[in-house]
Amino acid sequence: DSGVTQTPKHLITATGQRVTLRCSPRSGDLSVYWYQQSLDQGLQFLIQYYNGEERAKGNILERFSAQQFPDLHSELNLSSLELGDSALYFCASSVRDRGNTIYFGEGSWLTVV
Amino acid sequence: DAKTTQPNSMESNEEEPVHLPCNHSTISGTDYIHWYRQLPSQGPEYVIHGLTSNVNNRMASLAIAEDRKSSTLILHRATLRDAAVYYCILTHQAGTALIFGKGTTLSVSS
Repeated sequence: DSGVTQTPKHLITATGQRVTLRCSPRSGDLSVYWYQQSLDQGLQFLIQYYNGEERAKGNILERFSAQQFPDLHSELNLSSLELGDSALYFCASSVRDRGNTIYFGEGSWLTVV
Repeated sequence: DAKTTQPNSMESNEEEPVHLPCNHSTISGTDYIHWYRQLPSQGPEYVIHGLTSNVNNRMASLAIAEDRKSSTLILHRATLRDAAVYYCILTHQAGTALIFGKGTTLSVSS
């Protein structure tokens, strides 16, 4: 158990819909990261937040957005969903140690039908 | 970010040592070498990291070349549960997101 909690674990929704994925980081971790993993794309970094502010952006689509709240939990919002958005979405949080060790949650499986 | 090169796949037998190589010829002086692994249907899992010196922990050992242009993750006795994709990643100082490559798929046979 990494200490990173993601909900929901599984989600099935229709094209065009909007979903929100939630992440609770490890206690005390200020950084939250979101990743997308699909069969053909591998693990793709989407976005990072640090103490409520956006820190880095990766391959995140404009239809996707995220935020980190004062209690440090984070949400990833996916809108106008397409079939290709079906993937496993991971949240991770990090210890601000030298080298930046990152701990991942178990992921949220999103299926768009 | 500096790149890493890993073999696509490797095979091992149970209870034998496994040496997973990683080349990172463009590594900078402040880059840490991280290894993560991902078991099927699970999130990536931290294995080990180091900067210059060899490192050991309960999961594995990390051997870093003197010029730091390559490193080797050593699993001392492979088990079936070690079958996973292993990623070698370079990171800057604290606060940088991990950028994953394709990693090495390790198969372990009994």
